[in-house]
Amino acid sequence: QKEVEQDPGPLSVPEGAIVSLNCTYSNSAFQYFMWYRQYSRKGPELLMYTYSSGNKEDGRFTAQVDKSSKYISLFIRDSQPSDSATYLCAMKKGVFTDKLIFGTGTRLQVFP
Amino acid sequence: DTGVSQDPRHKITKRGQNVTFRCDPISEHNRLYWYRQTLGQGPEFLTYFQNEAQLEKSRLLSDRFSAERPKGSFSTLEIQRTEQGDSAMYLCASSDTKAGEQFFGPGTRLTVL
Repeated sequence: QKEVEQDPGPLSVPEGAIVSLNCTYSNSAFQYFMWYRQYSRKGPELLMYTYSSGNKEDGRFTAQVDKSSKYISLFIRDSQPSDSATYLCAMKKGVFTDKLIFGTGTRLQVFP
Repeated sequence: DTGVSQDPRHKITKRGQNVTFRCDPISEHNRLYWYRQTLGQGPEFLTYFQNEAQLEKSRLLSDRFSAERPKGSFSTLEIQRTEQGDSAMYLCASSDTKAGEQFFGPGTRLTVL
């Protein structure tokens, strides 16, 4: 079993829809949670970075962490065709290691 | 542009050849990371440096792989005697604090024929 599970999709939605992307994890030692966006053949771009549980909002993006359920989410409001990309969740266990553990990524397609 | 840069962006080589990739981190970032990403998968951790010290290596980093960061600035990743299974995107990232965000470069795509 992988430490981080993420549905690979693809997820196809119309422009303007609210998108929900999710990851589950098995190791309760994870404390830092990230979402990256990756366009085809490009490097990952950091979207959201959160510590422990709770919500964080940045523009059209909202990240949620529920440590009790070992579940994290990224919501995208008013989705745009330019949001079409692969979204990777990542997490790390804290101060004794900087190693990021990634999910497989969810491919999102937003059609006009 | 002050982001992470990687060179070359693409490398095609024949099996058995040696290849070397370079990463230049964001200025003043003291931590530098290497990851490998294959098609349809998330990046997998290979190794990381704090300044010039290599602090952790993954079991994925076989004896054919070596990474250096001699002056605590840029880093190189060398693969000796390449195999077809080494074909992947090699990503470099940097950060400036122990709990800080990691910012990735554009990657080097390696194809081993």
